[in-house]
Amino acid sequence: NAGVTQTPKFRVLKTGQSMTLLCAQDMNHEYMYWYRQDPGMGLRLIHYSVGEGTTAKGEVPDGYNVSRLKKQNFLLGLESAAPSQTSVYFCASSKGSSGENLFNEQFFGPGTRLTVL
Amino acid sequence: AQSVTQLGSHVSVSEGALVLLRCNYSSSVPPYLFWYVQYPNQGLQLLLKYTSAATLVKGINGFEAEFKKSETSFHLTKPSAHMSDAAEYFCAVSDEADQFYFGTGTSLTVIP
Repeated sequence: NAGVTQTPKFRVLKTGQSMTLLCAQDMNHEYMYWYRQDPGMGLRLIHYSVGEGTTAKGEVPDGYNVSRLKKQNFLLGLESAAPSQTSVYFCASSKGSSGENLFNEQFFGPGTRLTVL
Repeated sequence: AQSVTQLGSHVSVSEGALVLLRCNYSSSVPPYLFWYVQYPNQGLQLLLKYTSAATLVKGINGFEAEFKKSETSFHLTKPSAHMSDAAEYFCAVSDEADQFYFGTGTSLTVIP
């Protein structure tokens, strides 16, 4: 199993450009998440999804959109990139907690390093 | 809302010395607690998780953490540091909605 994969690994954008980050998981997980990681701030949740066709806002959703058309994929879009969106983006997935499946940990992708000039 | 505080953004220990990374949480009961490790230019990997079966939780690579409800703490320890332990460590708490709240991380340096 590949686990959680992210494409691309690196990207440089100019202010105002758009792009889509792709996250894929092969573990049949229901839940998927997008985080950004900035120095001294840990991981902050951008958007998440509790199942195919559903999405929800996290802590820092402004400037981002997401879609979960297929269970295994979770896309993060930047419509008009800004320098403040320079960050490392991580995707994660989990089974989700239900019934006896409590305390389900998240599995992380390797990250996408995005620079906006 | 849940929150996690990691005391000390940078910790340095000598090789072979005790590693102690501190984590305090603010959470409703029961808390779901995790420690993750991040090596340079990689994603986060799970070290251990608290499942309420035992207050002392053993993880990978010789790490363990003790859940102390009275202190709302979940500190990570390892008896003897190895050079390969140098990394960023994150404490996290999750709630019943499966949202995770991460601390700001502690960077561990191991001195030869």
